[in-house]
Amino acid sequence: GENVEQHPSTLSVQEGDSAVIKCTYSDSASNYFPWYKQELGKRPQLIIDIRSNVGEKKDQRIAVTLNKTAKHFSLHITETQPEDSAVYFCAASRISSGSARQLTFGSGTQLTVLP
Amino acid sequence: ETGVTQTPRHLVMGMTNKKSLKCEQHLGHNAMYWYKQSAKKPLELMFVYNFKEQTENNSVPSRFSPECPNSSHLFLHLHTLQPEDSALYLCASSPSGGGYTFGSGTRLTVV
Repeated sequence: GENVEQHPSTLSVQEGDSAVIKCTYSDSASNYFPWYKQELGKRPQLIIDIRSNVGEKKDQRIAVTLNKTAKHFSLHITETQPEDSAVYFCAASRISSGSARQLTFGSGTQLTVLP
Repeated sequence: ETGVTQTPRHLVMGMTNKKSLKCEQHLGHNAMYWYKQSAKKPLELMFVYNFKEQTENNSVPSRFSPECPNSSHLFLHLHTLQPEDSALYLCASSPSGGGYTFGSGTRLTVV
């Protein structure tokens, strides 16, 4: 099955700096890579996703890059703000069992943005 | 609310109890999932239902028993749990080939 590794497990940055979180995956058939943000005591929320037919996607201060050859993808947050502090999870999947996606998650990165 | 509602939000149960977790979605999604979230570990997929048919059981112990009566409702029946089963249990739903919407989870404590 799929295996997703995520690094670093903790990351502290100064407000205004950039943050980068990296993930690798093992299943070359995976074609969908979402990123979730989970604030303390709350549910994971999808912040951005990328499919295997593109190499980069941006949404304001957030971007995700995908390298299919190397089987790794990264989350980039620019101009970080204190409200960006949360746990971030990457995930990978391919469509299986009909149309249901079976997401395999990384272990999470605790991002702390220092004021 | 996100469109995926889980009840109860918190549950404390003894090892000999039987309880059920409920998940409900009105997003028109066809797939529903149970995940377990423990401290310091990745989210672990437990069960997948697609059009109310179970399509995945990720080697979950039989003390966890899922039920999906229709595409909008998903249950997780619990009996004779162990303290190590204490965790946040998250339900999610998705449209065909789409991403997940998570519920807020049930924080389960087994005493």
